[in-house]
Amino acid sequence: DAKTTQPNSMESNEEEPVHLPCNHSTISGTDYIHWYRQLPSQGPEYVIHGLTSNVNNRMASLAIAEDRKSSTLILHRATLRDAAVYYCILSGVGSNYQLIWGAGTKLIIKP
Amino acid sequence: NAGVTQTPKFQVLKTGQSMTLQCAQDMNHNSMYWYRQDPGMGLRLIYYSASEGTTDKGEVPNGYNVSRLNKREFSLRLESAAPSQTSVYFCASKAGVDTGELFFGEGSRLTVL
Repeated sequence: DAKTTQPNSMESNEEEPVHLPCNHSTISGTDYIHWYRQLPSQGPEYVIHGLTSNVNNRMASLAIAEDRKSSTLILHRATLRDAAVYYCILSGVGSNYQLIWGAGTKLIIKP
Repeated sequence: NAGVTQTPKFQVLKTGQSMTLQCAQDMNHNSMYWYRQDPGMGLRLIYYSASEGTTDKGEVPNGYNVSRLNKREFSLRLESAAPSQTSVYFCASKAGVDTGELFFGEGSRLTVL
């Protein structure tokens, strides 16, 4: 199964953009890149996903490198409510589309 | 919308006791999942059901059984609880088995003494 590598933690200031990196050098051509986040004492929630092209939604943007070996989740203007653990996950035919979760990046937002 | 509902939210068991975690979704989703999450770690898939009438093992199925009762409900049973099964359990659902958004319940915190 393709793995992802994320920093254990990151800090950012409130109302500034946040760029969360993810490396996935063994990604296959049909693997999707998913991002979920988990607020304290809650279940994970979907943030965004993509295959090859950059994606935008109301929560965030996903920038995918041209060789697809890395991606970046962009929160355009972080708020205190964005403090959470962010998971970068691959899924595809090889894993029967199951999400294999790593430990994620703990995002700390400073007021 | 209730989304994905899990019961109970908290449970304490003694080693060897049995219990069933219940999960129901009201989004007419085909696929349902049971995960466990240990402190400081990501989620690990226990079992999943791609559609009504089917179930499959995930990464860590030992010690667990599941039942897809109908399209809405997917239960997880611990026949003989062990301290190693102390964890937070999450149920999730999504429309199809392939790529798509997973919707999670709030979790069930289980402690086995």
